[in-house]
Amino acid sequence: GESVGLHLPTLSVQEGDNSIINCAYSNSASDYFIWYKQESGKGPQFIIDIRSNMDKRQGQRVTVLLNKTVKHLSLQIAATQPGDSAVYFCAENKGYSTLTFGKGTMLLVSP
Amino acid sequence: EAQVTQNPRYLITVTGKKLTVTCSQNMNHEYMSWYRQDPGLGLRQIYYSMNVEVTDKGDVPEGYKVSRKEKRNFPLILESPSPNQTSLYFCASSYSTGGDYEQYFGPGTRLTVT
Repeated sequence: GESVGLHLPTLSVQEGDNSIINCAYSNSASDYFIWYKQESGKGPQFIIDIRSNMDKRQGQRVTVLLNKTVKHLSLQIAATQPGDSAVYFCAENKGYSTLTFGKGTMLLVSP
Repeated sequence: EAQVTQNPRYLITVTGKKLTVTCSQNMNHEYMSWYRQDPGLGLRQIYYSMNVEVTDKGDVPEGYKVSRKEKRNFPLILESPSPNQTSLYFCASSYSTGGDYEQYFGPGTRLTVT
């Protein structure tokens, strides 16, 4: 049977659409956040980061928004492409020496 | 090319047979870490190292050992593997403290313990 673990939250979009992936974090003292992309069979790859003194940070086709009031982080991908299909993880700095990762969201992009 | 390498990439072994998964980085990073990734549980940290000869437990250290004798290498040792250690393992490195800088990940090692 299918593993429970395969039931990641999934976002399905059409090529060219904008995608928004959300993440709730747990520690109000966390001061550094990262978004990672993991393609099938590969290790997580850095996309963008943001520190808690910022609300928004933009990269190439990606924007991260941080709402500290509700402890919410989002990743926006503009003009989503089939190559963006992957699992996306947010991670927070819960302490001096470690990052804690969320369980991930699968993004599926249809041509 | 800046990278984190792991060996082997795939390993099938039997319960109780000691094994080592190697990790090496060429970026002169101080911080290195091991994670395991399991369905539904995401990435969980096993051990980390702030620098040579400095290691500490992460969230799931039971059944694992590490060493950091050189800055570039951080092997993961399973003295007596058990089936519940079947997982996908990732090594990562970071310029400085693991919580303040992006971590670069290796390609992963898929371990099966029968």
